[in-house]
Amino acid sequence: LAKTTQPISMDSYEGQEVNITCSHNNIATNDYITWYQQFPSQGPRFIIQGYKTKVTNEVASLFIPADRKSSTLSLPRVSLSDTAVYYCLVGASGAGRRALTFGSGTRLQVQP
Amino acid sequence: SAVISQKPSRDICQRGTSLTIQCQVDSQVTMMFWYRQQPGQSLTLIATANQGSEATYESGFVIDKFPISRPNLTFSTLTVSNMSPEDSSIYLCSAREFEQFFGPGTRLTVL
Repeated sequence: LAKTTQPISMDSYEGQEVNITCSHNNIATNDYITWYQQFPSQGPRFIIQGYKTKVTNEVASLFIPADRKSSTLSLPRVSLSDTAVYYCLVGASGAGRRALTFGSGTRLQVQP
Repeated sequence: SAVISQKPSRDICQRGTSLTIQCQVDSQVTMMFWYRQQPGQSLTLIATANQGSEATYESGFVIDKFPISRPNLTFSTLTVSNMSPEDSSIYLCSAREFEQFFGPGTRLTVL
C-alpha cells in the first residue's frame, strides 16, 4: 500500500487560501488520491478525489503533477469552520477494492 | 452518496462486558468496513465485513475479540467482546461503492 506523508499541522487565517501537500512516492498505476475532512466527534467526510492533473469541486481543488508522487489540496478563502483534520489517502477506487488506509493527517487551525 | 447511521452513538460499559454496534446504510453497498479511532489519533482499519461470509481482519485484530456480522448489503454489526479500558475508542462504520463513506462513529468508554 502506498504510504502518504503530510504535515502534522498548519495554521491559517480566515479568508486565506490554504494548500496542504501530501507526498505518495509509491503510488500505483491504478491508485486514486482522495482527501477527507474530519471534525471532532464526527466521521471523516469525503472532500475530493483525483487521478491526475487538476480536479475542482464546490469545496476544494486538487492538484496532481504528472509523476503523481504528490498532490496538493487547495482550500480557497478558508473560514473558522474549516478548522479540522485533513487526510490524504491513496488507493484503488471502486467496489471490491481494499479499504482506504489512513495516515496521520494534517490538523488545520484557522484563526480569526 | 450513501448515508450511514450507527447505534448507539455512545456508551459507557463495564470491564468484561460486550457491546454490539449496529451500522445501517441507506442503500445497498458492495463493501463495508469497521475502523477504530483512539483519542487524538488517526483511523485504524479493523476488518472488512463480507456479506454472507466471515469478515477479513487486519493484523492485530481477531474474530474472538471483534466478531462482525453482515447479513445483507445494507447492514453490519461489530461486537467488542470482553472489554477492557484499552478498548475505549471511537468505532466507525464505513461503506464503499466508488467512493468510501463513513458513519458518525460510536464513542465507547470502558470503565
